[in-house]
Amino acid sequence: DTAVSQTPKYLVTQMGNDKSIKCEQNLGHDTMYWYKQDSKKFLKIMFSYNNKELIINETVPNRFSPKSPDKAHLNLHINSLELGDSAVYFCASSSQGLAGPNEQFFGPGTRLTVL
Amino acid sequence: SQKIEQNSEALNIQEGKTATLTCNYTNYSPAYLQWYRQDPGRGPVFLLLIRENEKEKRKERLKVTFDTTLKQSLFHITASQPADSATYLCALDSLGGLGGGSQGNLIFGKGTKLSVKP
Repeated sequence: DTAVSQTPKYLVTQMGNDKSIKCEQNLGHDTMYWYKQDSKKFLKIMFSYNNKELIINETVPNRFSPKSPDKAHLNLHINSLELGDSAVYFCASSSQGLAGPNEQFFGPGTRLTVL
Repeated sequence: SQKIEQNSEALNIQEGKTATLTCNYTNYSPAYLQWYRQDPGRGPVFLLLIRENEKEKRKERLKVTFDTTLKQSLFHITASQPADSATYLCALDSLGGLGGGSQGNLIFGKGTKLSVKP
């Protein structure tokens, strides 16, 4: 029973295209995140959503936009793809504990390759 | 500027020994610190969380220490096994960063790739 799932697992596309990556969590968590892991394996936060409100928006290009149709989903839309967007994108979720946020649960990742 | 550094990119040890990984940070005052394990082709998996008022946390063969004076966390795996081979990431909450930030936003180190040889 997958906790955090992402589709697709692999995405190969041409420069200039628009693409989306979907993420769903069945843990009942109230916060979801998107991370980018580049070729040097550096994992960097992109966005987080809490109860359908964007609470963090790191300095990413506005070609990237998160969309949350409900508390269990946070999709990532990317417009006008560029070569530098090639990376592995991870979705994650967490709940808010009494003493602060709890640990994050990560999805399996989506490897995006822009040609 | 804010920095998180994990002592080495790679660490090779013999099975049965204790692996010690280091995470140092500057210009942060994190309320908590987390350690994750990442296997090739997979997402990170949470291992341990330690809060600023805790000195040490244990879970089975894992032990984490947190020294807010030294601005350092140590992650130990005792009686290491080849199955422990993976990349280990430390992460701090960005709320304690100089530029502020939101609680729950984790800043990750680059990770240390641990290889345990039989």
